[in-house]
Amino acid sequence: EMQLLESGGGLVQPGGSLRLSCAASGFSFSSNGMAWVRQSPGKGLEWVSGVSGSSERTYYTDSVRGRFTVSRDKSKNMVFLEMNSLRTEDTAVYFCAKWDGVGQFWGQGTLVAVSS
Amino acid sequence: EIVLTQSPGTLSLSPGERATLSCRASESVSSNLGWYQQKPGQAPRLLIYGASNRATGIPDRFSGSGSGTDFTLTISRLEPEDFVMYYCQQYGGSPRTFGQGTKLEMK
Repeated sequence: EMQLLESGGGLVQPGGSLRLSCAASGFSFSSNGMAWVRQSPGKGLEWVSGVSGSSERTYYTDSVRGRFTVSRDKSKNMVFLEMNSLRTEDTAVYFCAKWDGVGQFWGQGTLVAVSS
Repeated sequence: EIVLTQSPGTLSLSPGERATLSCRASESVSSNLGWYQQKPGQAPRLLIYGASNRATGIPDRFSGSGSGTDFTLTISRLEPEDFVMYYCQQYGGSPRTFGQGTKLEMK
């Protein structure tokens, strides 16, 4: 059974940092792309960042490029999102997803709240 | 970036009726479009990929059609559990973008 479990969310002040983690199981993690998608309270979905399965290329939406870094540890079946210089508009539930153009399977999300 | 516009914003129907949800792209995405269902407090679930292919385990009352800039999600006979939010998402351009969603509510 496929599982994705996010962790690392919390309350942080503007300008602060957080590192989100996503533990994957039940599928061939090494050969699959992964992505982070966020959803602000009461709002729609926004693709944030992704990493390809084989080439390890990384991708970012413009609003987070230079502030967020996606990485993966294939030995631990985990993907990470390092978030720096956080802004109030980064407040959202962050979902980790198995990604192949579309989000084939999603975790339940972790809440990031940026507030003073 | 490619903008996806979903219509209507809210669709009021009754169980057993047919639902037709629309997604229009600001430029062609070929058939690189997916549809998701999201229940309150839950993660999105993939329904359709490649504009018309049902994802694993999705009932055949859900179907997708379209290509280029105009796409449709059809739910042939609404069940009570279908009255939730639906989003489209394109992967024909970067960054990947989502529509703003259609809320399907029970009349």
